[in-house]
Formats: sequence, C-alpha cells, structure tokens
Amino acid sequence: GAVVSQHPSWVICKSGTSVKIECRSLDFQATTMFWYRQFPKQSLMLMATSNEGSKATYEQGVEKDKFLINHASLTLSTLTVTSAHPEDSSFYICSARPEARGPANYGYTFGSGTRLTVV
Amino acid sequence: GENVEQHPSTLSVQEGDSAVIKCTYSDSASNYFPWYKQELGKRPQLIIDIRSNVGEKKDQRIAVTLNKTAKHFSLHITETQPEDSAVYFCAASKNYGNKLVFGAGTILRVKS
Repeated sequence: GAVVSQHPSWVICKSGTSVKIECRSLDFQATTMFWYRQFPKQSLMLMATSNEGSKATYEQGVEKDKFLINHASLTLSTLTVTSAHPEDSSFYICSARPEARGPANYGYTFGSGTRLTVV
Repeated sequence: GENVEQHPSTLSVQEGDSAVIKCTYSDSASNYFPWYKQELGKRPQLIIDIRSNVGEKKDQRIAVTLNKTAKHFSLHITETQPEDSAVYFCAASKNYGNKLVFGAGTILRVKS
C-alpha cells in the first residue's frame, strides 16, 4: 500500500512555456502533499506544502506565481511550472504520507519524480 | 527553522564492513527521523525511521540510533553489500505528517 504516482516521468519544453506535473495517491487519501526539487548531486529541497482545498504554503524563496500548485481532491496535487526557463531544469518530486496506522507506518511516500529539461 | 546536517558527504567501505552516517538537527521540537536511500534517477525509498520516544530501532542489517539530548541520530549498516551503494538522506520533522527537512546526503560506495 501507500503508492504515489507522478507523471510525466520526464519532459522537455521550450523556454517560456508552462509544464504541469501531476501527483496522485493511488490507495490512500492525502490531505497534504509536498513538492520537492532536486538539482544534480544535491539534496531534496522542499518547495511547497500542498493542502487539499486550500492554498499551498510555499517555502522562503520559492515564487508562488511561478510554481502554481493545485490540490483539488484528496488524491491529486498538481505543480505547474509557468514560463519555464533553463534554470528551472531539475528533478521535481512529490511526496505524501498516509495516516499512521498504529504500528504499521508507511512513512512518507515519494512519487517517481519528473525530470524537467527546459531548452 | 529546522536545519539538518549530515556527514560524511561520501563514504567508501569494503564489502562486509559496516557503514555509519551521522546527522544532527537544530530544532528540539523535531520528533520524527526517517532515513531514505536513493539510487540514481529514482525516488527516495524509506529504509528505516525512528520517533523520539525510542533511542534505537533495528531492521535486519540496518539500525538507527537517536540521542535527543545531543540532537543527533545515526544510520548503521552492517555487513555491507554492493547493492547498498546509493545516496542516503536523513530527514527530520516536527510530528509525523509535517514537512520533512533533509540532510545534504551521503554517497555510499561499497567496494567488492
């Protein structure tokens, strides 16, 4: 259990265009999802916390108008990179966590990630 | 906010030896500490986690220890195998369910 599906796995787009990335919890409801960005050979940096039915909470330094987050249902959150530029090229990965179920704790589950290349 | 430091950045061990990776955290309110293994181009996979109400947890060749007073926790891998080679990340959060703050990562190479 506790599977998170992320699409697309990779995308190449032209500079100035927008790209949407989807993150779905397949077998559990996720009121909260997290979006991370990971540059090569670096750690996962939290961009924002996505809250179902309300506005996302962005980390300091992350432009909310550039990285649009929509969490319209309990199983789907989307990240749209608007007006993408080459410096936005990165590995974007989402995460969600099932409710703790006593001793059985699945922990935070990550999507498979999206490799974005802006040319 | 929370800050997690991780050492070493790279670690090379001989197959069969033990590997230890250490992390420190700054926020004494943090109480959930997972460890993730990430292979190149893939998603992080949870390998073990610990909550602040215990000092040690073990799962076969993997163990995690937590010292709340010193605010540090460590990952121990015994009898390392080549397939253990990957990047390992520690993380911390205030309560399970809140955002995770990650360490910088450790590249573990197990030489056969």
